[in-house]
Amino acid sequence: DIQMTQSPSSLSASVGDRVTITCRASQSIDDYLGWYQQKPGKAPNLLIYKASILESGVPSRFSGSGSGTDFTLTISSLQPDDFATYYCQQYNTYSPLTFGGGTKVEIK
Amino acid sequence: QVQLVQSGAEVKKPGASVKISCKTSGYSFLGYDINWVRQASGQGLEWMGWMNPNSGNTGYSQKFQGRVTMTRNTSIGAAYMELSSLRSDDTAIYYCARERAGRFDSWGQGTLVTVSS
Repeated sequence: DIQMTQSPSSLSASVGDRVTITCRASQSIDDYLGWYQQKPGKAPNLLIYKASILESGVPSRFSGSGSGTDFTLTISSLQPDDFATYYCQQYNTYSPLTFGGGTKVEIK
Repeated sequence: QVQLVQSGAEVKKPGASVKISCKTSGYSFLGYDINWVRQASGQGLEWMGWMNPNSGNTGYSQKFQGRVTMTRNTSIGAAYMELSSLRSDDTAIYYCARERAGRFDSWGQGTLVTVSS
């Protein structure tokens, strides 16, 4: 299985801060990586796919980068609506498809 | 708009089976695979498998092989996930999700399955 390791597991930040979350794959996944946002009691919501492509309707303050094994999700200026848990997901291989452990972004 | 609407919460005893439905609308059901993902309370996301609604072909995570069955009813645009031999650690929220080239761009609202004696 491809292991996806996210860091940090949680962070505290203020509105307006620049926030970066990293995701590392245990082997190369090219750029087959997605990022999701999940709020309490809700289903995950796709933000980024193919490592850096913004999903339609997602604010431009979200961006993704990376390829191979190392990836980042950046929120350029944190907004109140962004406090949530973020997950990365690799889809290079379906044996199995795997998610990172999540990063909870909390209000400082 | 694309919608995936799942069936309601279930309470099951250990050893029983559960079958969850995922009713789709707003797009061509046959055009996109449906995947199932679960999430135990306070935990991360765990992928269970995929189903191609057009062919009925499926692919399951090895963890659930032999216990999970994914099916569909093309006439009503619905997908189903049945999990058997339930254990207490199967207690989780189960999500269906529409897949586009590996990414999950639309999700159901989730179905809570509680396994308890």
